[in-house]
Amino acid sequence: EAGVAQSPRYKIIEKRQSVAFWCNPISGHATLYWYQQILGQGPKLLIQFQNNGVVDDSQLPKDRFSAERLKGVDSTLKIQPAKLEDSAVYLCASSLREGMTEAFFGQGTRLTVV
Amino acid sequence: SQKIEQNSEALNIQEGKTATLTCNYTNYSPAYLQWYRQDPGRGPVFLLLIRENEKEKRKERLKVTFDTTLKQSLFHITASQPADSATYLCALDKDNDMRFGAGTRLTVKP
Repeated sequence: EAGVAQSPRYKIIEKRQSVAFWCNPISGHATLYWYQQILGQGPKLLIQFQNNGVVDDSQLPKDRFSAERLKGVDSTLKIQPAKLEDSAVYLCASSLREGMTEAFFGQGTRLTVV
Repeated sequence: SQKIEQNSEALNIQEGKTATLTCNYTNYSPAYLQWYRQDPGRGPVFLLLIRENEKEKRKERLKVTFDTTLKQSLFHITASQPADSATYLCALDKDNDMRFGAGTRLTVKP
């Protein structure tokens, strides 16, 4: 079974530029998560989708971050404009359904904002 | 406010000993709790899930306990090996989304 695919693996941008990350979850997984992990910290939930609907985006900085999950399959996360504090690893995860099921994570995209 | 606290940033133990990691939470009433392992440069990998009505769960050398009165979960690795060295994360559900603690970095020395 193929895992969660993310791209790019690494990205370096200047502050105020925009960037987009892509995630392809495991086939058949209804729930998709985007997490931000700053060095030395645990993953912080940014947004959760159930199929193509948003379940929770309470911690997403909506003035600069946006995410979509077209057709309930793959997803993109965008930052525009980027700030220095956005430097982090962005992890995508998927699970079979909401609640009480294990999540499968991609390798993440390491973003450096200079 | 809701908090998930893992006992320490780092834990060093000798090979063969039992490692015990702690996850405490406040202002949550989770239906279940999960433990993940994360290696440098990789995404977290699921290890165990324990439900609120379960006191203990085991998988090979791993054991998890869940005390909803103390609001605490303990994660044990018995007969630890250097290959067990990694960061271990606990995760709680909040309204069907997962929130993580900061993690404990475990180092098992030969």
